[in-house]
Amino acid sequence: GEDVEQSLFLSVREGDSSVINCTYTDSSSTYLYWYKQEPGAGLQLLTYIFSNMDMKQDQRLTVLLNKKDKHLSLRIADTQTGDSAIYFCAGSGGSQGNLIFGKGTKLSVKP
Amino acid sequence: EAGVAQSPRYKIIEKRQSVAFWCNPISGHATLYWYQQILGQGPKLLIQFQNNGVVDDSQLPKDRFSAERLKGVDSTLKIQPAKLEDSAVYLCASSLDRTASSPLHFGNGTRLTVT
Repeated sequence: GEDVEQSLFLSVREGDSSVINCTYTDSSSTYLYWYKQEPGAGLQLLTYIFSNMDMKQDQRLTVLLNKKDKHLSLRIADTQTGDSAIYFCAGSGGSQGNLIFGKGTKLSVKP
Repeated sequence: EAGVAQSPRYKIIEKRQSVAFWCNPISGHATLYWYQQILGQGPKLLIQFQNNGVVDDSQLPKDRFSAERLKGVDSTLKIQPAKLEDSAVYLCASSLDRTASSPLHFGNGTRLTVT
């Protein structure tokens, strides 16, 4: 089955770029997702990328996909304190449409 | 568009007691999921419904957990009897359908503490 790995922590200064990395095992994942979770809240869909794409940009967010290495990254430009949260990478490795999540990367943004 | 609604937000029970959680998905979403998120981990699928039928319940501890979606809209998840290790956030999500291109939309979850 699908396995998704992420580094657990990232700390950046306000205004810098943040890059959160993820690796996955199931090459049949047709979509890969990034979700954001703030304290006490559910998961908020940030963006997703189809597996035949290399890059997707959405305002301050850039997703890069290296399908050969099964590596996904999320770049947040001009990181703000409001971006502090846990970011989850997820693959659609499940055959029925459900998602397999990593453990999440906690992003801390220092002023 | 109203999001996925869950209640209660918090629940504290003693071990061996029972508890039930409720979820109302986004209108028109055929697929509903219950995920369990233990502190410090990513969400793990418990059960998936397509309309009122179960698609995947392979990760559901069926000796103590049960779920239903009788009319294909709202869903309830029950734990009976609860164990200490059931302490977690229970997240409900819904999507338009089961295709991989249909993103999951999550509710805010129910935080369960078993003492």
